[in-house]
Amino acid sequence: GQNIDQPTEMTATEGAIVQINCTYQTSGFNGLFWYQQHAGEAPTFLSYNVLDGLEEKGRFSSFLSRSKGYSYLLLKELQMKDSASYLCAVMDSNYQLIWGAGTKLIIKP
Amino acid sequence: ETGVTQTPRHLVMGMTNKKSLKCEQHLGHNAMYWYKQSAKKPLELMFVYNFKEQTENNSVPSRFSPECPNSSHLFLHLHTLQPEDSALYLCASSQEGAGLELNEQFFGPGTRLTVL
Repeated sequence: GQNIDQPTEMTATEGAIVQINCTYQTSGFNGLFWYQQHAGEAPTFLSYNVLDGLEEKGRFSSFLSRSKGYSYLLLKELQMKDSASYLCAVMDSNYQLIWGAGTKLIIKP
Repeated sequence: ETGVTQTPRHLVMGMTNKKSLKCEQHLGHNAMYWYKQSAKKPLELMFVYNFKEQTENNSVPSRFSPECPNSSHLFLHLHTLQPEDSALYLCASSQEGAGLELNEQFFGPGTRLTVL
């Protein structure tokens, strides 16, 4: 079966750095997405990786290793507004998105 | 504002009621999706419409009935639901096509459904 694993919840301190991991087993791979979802709001796109390596976008970076079935989302200089759920999703060989359950990130002052 | 709107935002219904959820996208996309999001569970893809044709139906019970009259509008008709159907129902859209590497999906704010 297809599976996406990510931690259920993480806590970090304002101004610090946090890394949210995602491992996947899917039938084929056509890219990995990270989305951010604030409570009661729509998921919004953060990043897309299809080749190995690090993609940097401001305070957020996303890393992919296809051979290991592994990705992480790195958030630097954490702000209180970064408190949200972070969803990892992989596009399989049928171009269907397979979603993780999300990681709830709690930022403390 | 992501360009995808959903109404109503909140809905409470009894098990014998019939209601409809509406989604509209203003992005010119050709694919639309219905997802179910339950607490602490992955997003569950329910239906996919591509160029107004249903291309995916992931074993969804018949008490959920989708309708896509055109590429901008998507409905989810609900009847004789069960309490376990209570969840957040999200609509999304994307631009599908050959050669497009990034099929980013844009989500609406969702309808919070409670079945009593």
